[in-house]
Amino acid sequence: ELKVEQNPLFLSMQEGKNYTIYCNYSTTSDRLYWYRQDPGKSLESLFVLLSNGAVKQEGRLMASLDTKARLSTLHITAAVHDLSATYFCAPRQTGTASKLTFGTGTRLQVTL
Amino acid sequence: DTGVSQNPRHKITKRGQNVTFRCDPISEHNRLYWYRQTLGQGPEFLTYFQNEAQLEKSRLLSDRFSAERPKGSFSTLEIQRTEQGDSAMYLCASSLTSGLLSYNEQFFGPGTRLTVL
Repeated sequence: ELKVEQNPLFLSMQEGKNYTIYCNYSTTSDRLYWYRQDPGKSLESLFVLLSNGAVKQEGRLMASLDTKARLSTLHITAAVHDLSATYFCAPRQTGTASKLTFGTGTRLQVTL
Repeated sequence: DTGVSQNPRHKITKRGQNVTFRCDPISEHNRLYWYRQTLGQGPEFLTYFQNEAQLEKSRLLSDRFSAERPKGSFSTLEIQRTEQGDSAMYLCASSLTSGLLSYNEQFFGPGTRLTVL
């Protein structure tokens, strides 16, 4: 059974600072998704990482995937308050058609 | 609005009652998923459909839960004899799968928040 661990679980950072969220998973995955969730809202798709070494960037967020290490990272550059939300990684286990297994999430709070 | 829609958005019920939720996926999306999310946790997979066929069910989906997608479009999730432990956000997602190179990216609806008293 695929297990997903994110750390940190909670991150408070000042505007303008950089930080990285880590996502470790326990078994082989052929793709990995990152989602954002605002309080009381649904999930918004951020990135789809399809292969080893994949890197995607959108604004101040950059996601990467290392399938050999079973690790994905979400790097935040020069954080702004609007990035405050909970971020989830969700690898898809190899051999399963569609089932995503979500981590517990990282709650990011960006302070002024 | 062409996103995934869910109804109702909120449902409060008494223990032992039956409830039914509806999900309308993005049109032309052939896959539809149900997840459950409790406070402070990530979503947990419940079940998914490809067109009208239910292809996988989680062990979380007890006999009291049933899902249908009769015409391959909208789906319903019914919970019979609700228990307080069923209180959660029920999320629906849809995706388009069209070959090996498909991203199969799942787009989520706003969710139905269930409170069982």
